[in-house]
This record gives sequence, structure tokens and C-alpha cells, in this order.
Amino acid sequence: AQSVTQPDIHITVSEGASLELRCNYSYGATPYLFWYVQSPGQGLQLLLKYFSGDTLVQGIKGFEAEFKRSQSSFNLRKPSVHWSDAAEYFCAVGVYSGGGADGLTFGKGTHLIIQP
Amino acid sequence: DAGVTQSPTHLIKTRGQQVTLRCSPKSGHDTVSWYQQALGQEPQFIFQYYEEEERQRGNFPDRFSGHQFPNYSSELNVNALLLGDSALYLCASSATGHKDPSGANVLTFGAGSRLTVL
Repeated sequence: AQSVTQPDIHITVSEGASLELRCNYSYGATPYLFWYVQSPGQGLQLLLKYFSGDTLVQGIKGFEAEFKRSQSSFNLRKPSVHWSDAAEYFCAVGVYSGGGADGLTFGKGTHLIIQP
Repeated sequence: DAGVTQSPTHLIKTRGQQVTLRCSPKSGHDTVSWYQQALGQEPQFIFQYYEEEERQRGNFPDRFSGHQFPNYSSELNVNALLLGDSALYLCASSATGHKDPSGANVLTFGAGSRLTVL
């Protein structure tokens, strides 16, 4: 079974500073990898995804992530954060089997706080 | 283009009662998944419906059941509610990936139904 680890429960970053959120996964093959963002009381919004090919993927809102097979990592980055980026960020892994996609497995999330 | 819509947005029940939550998938999507997200926790996969059948199930008891209708909309039913069932219930839809597995994994989430059990 697959698993996802987000080592940082909380991260505080000054507005305008760069950001990196860590994600490590465990799975026997290359899974599908995702980053979702969730504002308080809201659903999840997909930031970006990795299926195959180029290991550096671009997403919405200026986010990017890099897949590193040797480190089983899929870290999320943004060069300059905005106060509106404050939210909960979830890394997730998906598996495709039997003609369909299995349920996603989420990490426990990283709470991003933006300092003025 | 409407995304995933869920109803009701909030509801309060008492222990032992039953609840039904509803979900309409995004246009063009035919697969519906349900997730439970307790306060401060990550979403947990409950089950997935495709072609009106439960395709996959997570680690949830039989008190949790579902249904998918011919128009792809779905219901989540929870019987004999417990205090621990209090959570945000998220519905997510996706398109089957017979030809493109990458599409099958891209979920669109609704805003959720917040269930409080007293």
C-alpha cells in the first residue's frame, strides 16, 4: 500500500520569501502525485500533478513541484509567496489499476502561515 | 461549467440517526469518490462509484454506504451515527481513464458537507 509523509506540520514564511513544502511517498512503482490546497472550511483545489515525463511540473498560482525518484520526493515550491497563499497544503499519491483510479492517499498536510 | 456540487452544506444530527449526503459531479465526469475529513486531519477515502457500482472501498465500516444514479450523481448514507462521524464529507468526481489513465486520477472536489453529530 502507498503512503505519503509531509514532515512539516506548520511552516511560517514572510510575504515575498520563497517557499518549499516537503513530501515523501512510499510505493513500489511510480505513482501519480498531486498537490492540493485547502482554505478553511473549503474543498480541495488541485495545484499540480505528476504522471510521467518531465520531472519539474508547473501548476497554478505560480507553484511548481519536482519529482525525484531517487529520493521518493515531490516537493512543492514557489519563488515568492503572497498573503493569499496561507492555507493547508496536502500532498497525495494515486494509483491506477484495474481500468480505473484508486482512491487517493493524502499526507497529513502542512499548514502555511504568511507573515507580513 | 458547474463543478462538483454537494448538498447540504451543513447539517446537525444526533447519535444513532441516519444521514444522506448528495453530490452532483462535474459535467463530463462519470466517477464519484467520497472522502471523510475530520477537523484538522487529512481526507480519508471512503469509496468510489463507477457505472452505478462500488468500485473500491477504503477502511470504513458498513454503516457507510453509497449509491450512484444513471446521471452519475451520488449519495452517501451513514447509519447509526457516532460522535466520531462528525467531519467534512468531500465528494470528488473524475473521468474514467480507459484511454487516458492520467485523466482518471484527476479529481475535482466539491466544497463538502459539514456534518456535526451531537
